[in-house]
Amino acid sequence: KAGVTQTPRYLIKTRGQQVTLSCSPISGHRSVSWYQQTPGQGLQFLFEYFSETQRNKGNFPGRFSGRQFSNSRSEMNVSTLELGDSALYLCASSLGGPGDTQYFGPGTRLTVL
Amino acid sequence: EDKVVQSPLSLVVHEGDTVTLNCSYEVTNFRSLLWYKQEKKAPTFLFMLTSSGIEKKSGRLSSILDKKELSSILNITATQTGDSAIYLCAVGSPGTGAGSYQLTFGKGTKLSVIP
Repeated sequence: KAGVTQTPRYLIKTRGQQVTLSCSPISGHRSVSWYQQTPGQGLQFLFEYFSETQRNKGNFPGRFSGRQFSNSRSEMNVSTLELGDSALYLCASSLGGPGDTQYFGPGTRLTVL
Repeated sequence: EDKVVQSPLSLVVHEGDTVTLNCSYEVTNFRSLLWYKQEKKAPTFLFMLTSSGIEKKSGRLSSILDKKELSSILNITATQTGDSAIYLCAVGSPGTGAGSYQLTFGKGTKLSVIP
């Protein structure tokens, strides 16, 4: 079974631009969660999508948004990029039940200049 | 606010040593504790623990949960250079949406195994 895939793997943007990241979950998984990982803060939860609906949201500003498609693929969008948005963005997929294990993709490394 | 604290933050050992990594948590509505290993990019799943006192083992790695002490340890015996990685502890709890479940992560322990 193929694992979680994320595209692109690397991105360089400038302040003020917007960016869209993509995540394809493991086949059969209906839940996709997004995390931001920085050296100072570690892994922080952004949001979770299940069956095309945002089911849970972390404490990030509204510039961070996402969506999920009917095939469970998910996209995350960050608008008006700031220098502090430079991070590794990880997505994780699971079956979606309470306590189901989350499996991570390789991440997208975003650098904001 | 939910909190997960890992110690030590970094550790350097020689091949063959045994190491113990610690994770403590303060989480509302605890459901599970998970360990992940992160080498280059993707954290890879190691263990999920839900019951106190029951050890999970996989080869040279083992982990146990103590719900009374709100903590868990990850043991690695006979360490190898391939064990060098960041080990992440996460606690699962219900999210705000119905049926949702989220992970709160510690900042990780960076383990370096030198030959």
